Amino acid sequence: DIVMTQSPDSLAVSLGERATINCKSSQSVLYSSNNKNYLAWYQQKPGQPPKLLIYWSSARESGVPDRFSGSGSGSDFTLTISSLQAEDVAVYYCQQYYNTPFTFGPGTKVDIK
Amino acid sequence: QLQLQESGPGPVKPSETLSLTCTVSGGSISNSRFYWGWIRQPPGKGLEWIGSIYYSGSTYYNPSLQSRVTISVDTSRNQFSLMLSSVTAADTAVYYCARHSDDLWSHFDYWGQGTLGTVSS
Repeated sequence: DIVMTQSPDSLAVSLGERATINCKSSQSVLYSSNNKNYLAWYQQKPGQPPKLLIYWSSARESGVPDRFSGSGSGSDFTLTISSLQAEDVAVYYCQQYYNTPFTFGPGTKVDIK
Repeated sequence: QLQLQESGPGPVKPSETLSLTCTVSGGSISNSRFYWGWIRQPPGKGLEWIGSIYYSGSTYYNPSLQSRVTISVDTSRNQFSLMLSSVTAADTAVYYCARHSDDLWSHFDYWGQGTLGTVSS
């Protein structure tokens, strides 16, 4: 299985400041034949299902604010919230879909400082 | 707009079988482009992929659950279902159904609201 790790476990950021979440996979999720990273980011608020934010490591889902961005390749990835808003308080998960079983990171909780 | 809705009969006892159904509306489960999946989340914990199915009935399961899981599809009802046998308290979780955005090796773009599957004596 591909093990996904995230850091930090939680972080508190002031409104308007940048939040950065890291995700690492135990093996590369870059498929060489199409040069795509099989990595997605989801946001989950309490009592709600996960919401897709980013796919193919850096493609933003339709309707997701442009303050959310994804970067990285191979085994190291980053989700950045450029200017934290109150509505961004949530848990964020990365997920690999390169190999079955598909696996998620343990989550990073983002709060307001 | 595609919508997914999980449903189930309620709490089950240890050693019994948990059965859940996902009803898809606003789109056809028989669309040859998409796979459909189940993901679960124990209270206060992270997400675990259970398995996925194609409209033809082809299935892929998480090896950690494979011996106890059956996922099936009913195209006439636009539904797919999950059966998890020999449950224990550790199987208590919110169970989500979701759509893969394309083939099996793709992210989940639409999710149901989730249903709590409770195992309790």
